[in-house]
Amino acid sequence: DTEVTQTPKHLVMGMTNKKSLKCEQHMGHRAMYWYKQKAKKPPELMFVYSYEKLSINESVPSRFSPECPNSSLLNLHLHALQPEDSALYLCASSQQTGLYEQYFGPGTRLTVT
Amino acid sequence: GQQLNQSPQSMFIQEGEDVSMNCTSSSIFNTWLWYKQDPGEGPVLLIALYKAGELTSNGRLTAQFGITRKDSFLNISASIPSDVGIYFCAGQPFYNQGGKLIFGQGTELSVKP
Repeated sequence: DTEVTQTPKHLVMGMTNKKSLKCEQHMGHRAMYWYKQKAKKPPELMFVYSYEKLSINESVPSRFSPECPNSSLLNLHLHALQPEDSALYLCASSQQTGLYEQYFGPGTRLTVT
Repeated sequence: GQQLNQSPQSMFIQEGEDVSMNCTSSSIFNTWLWYKQDPGEGPVLLIALYKAGELTSNGRLTAQFGITRKDSFLNISASIPSDVGIYFCAGQPFYNQGGKLIFGQGTELSVKP
């Protein structure tokens, strides 16, 4: 089973709201990732967690706050977003960081109004 | 930053035709991955390649890791309407960047029944 699940599927939020995206995998993977994707563009890496520790932050604005409560879960907390933050947010996981294939979840379609 | 050149950007083909797309880089990669993405969904891993010269098939799909380690191609034989989508190549450069994937810009495939 190579399933990564994400909730919610769709999210609409105002610029003053606080919301969270959730990601879960039960493959025993120890690396998890958040990506942002605009229409018909490749995914852009935001954060990497390795063994529940943040290992890469691609200079993401502080209004995006990641959290890895345990090896199966990854959250992305959102606060005071801008309309240009509207995008598909993808979670992925891999066995470890390094030369391992990454498996993506179905994504959360975020609209900021 | 590092880029992958993926071509063609788009293809319009007749059902039953074969398809070929490729990715090239100016530097060496240790891993090549091919993903397919349907609208509103996350990328699905099609084929993973780890050795120079490696040729791997998955049903009607065949991919190869170039012998120079700077390129990869994906072939789809006897295309069908459900092959429609965006295909992304992705690779991991020889220097480990903590699991960071470099993506091509994608090839958008349209299949006319």
